[in-house]
Amino acid sequence: GQNIDQPTEMTATEGAIVQINCTYQTSGFNGLFWYQQHAGEAPTFLSYNVLDGLEEKGRFSSFLSRSKGYSYLLLKELQMKDSASYLCAVLDSNYQLIWGAGTKLIIKP
Amino acid sequence: GAVVSQHPSWVICKSGTSVKIECRSLDFQATTMFWYRQFPKQSLMLMATSNEGSKATYEQGVEKDKFLINHASLTLSTLTVTSAHPEDSSFYICSASGQGDLYEQYFGPGTRLTVT
Repeated sequence: GQNIDQPTEMTATEGAIVQINCTYQTSGFNGLFWYQQHAGEAPTFLSYNVLDGLEEKGRFSSFLSRSKGYSYLLLKELQMKDSASYLCAVLDSNYQLIWGAGTKLIIKP
Repeated sequence: GAVVSQHPSWVICKSGTSVKIECRSLDFQATTMFWYRQFPKQSLMLMATSNEGSKATYEQGVEKDKFLINHASLTLSTLTVTSAHPEDSSFYICSASGQGDLYEQYFGPGTRLTVT
């Protein structure tokens, strides 16, 4: 079966750095997405990785290792507004998005 | 660019009635639209995928006669919840793809349905 694992909840301090991990086992791979979802709102796109390595976009970076079936989202200089759920999703061989359950990130002052 | 709208943003209806939710891609042609349901504190659950002009593909366990999906044009898809029951109360989110080759899904703002 297809499976995506990410921690259920994480807590971090304002101004700090946090890394949210995602491991996946899917039938084929055509890229990995990270989305941010605030409570009561729809997800918004953060990043897309299809090749190994680190993609940096401002305070957010996303890393992919296809051989390990592993990705992480790195958030720097955390702000209170970063409190949200972060969803990892993999595009499988049929170009269907397989979603993780999401990681709820709590930022404390 | 890549804006997706949903209407209504929230709706309350009585048990046994039907509710129609619209999803529109405002500035691009959406060859594929997706309908998701999300219960509180849970992740997105894909209900169905629809391509313009063809029948929707429903995920296992989703009743196609209860959740009617129509994707009549490249900018509009509708989800009709027929004979709604309280257990259908949920956050319904649509997304659309078709812009570029990224297969990125652009999400609508969601519709909160409460069935009393």
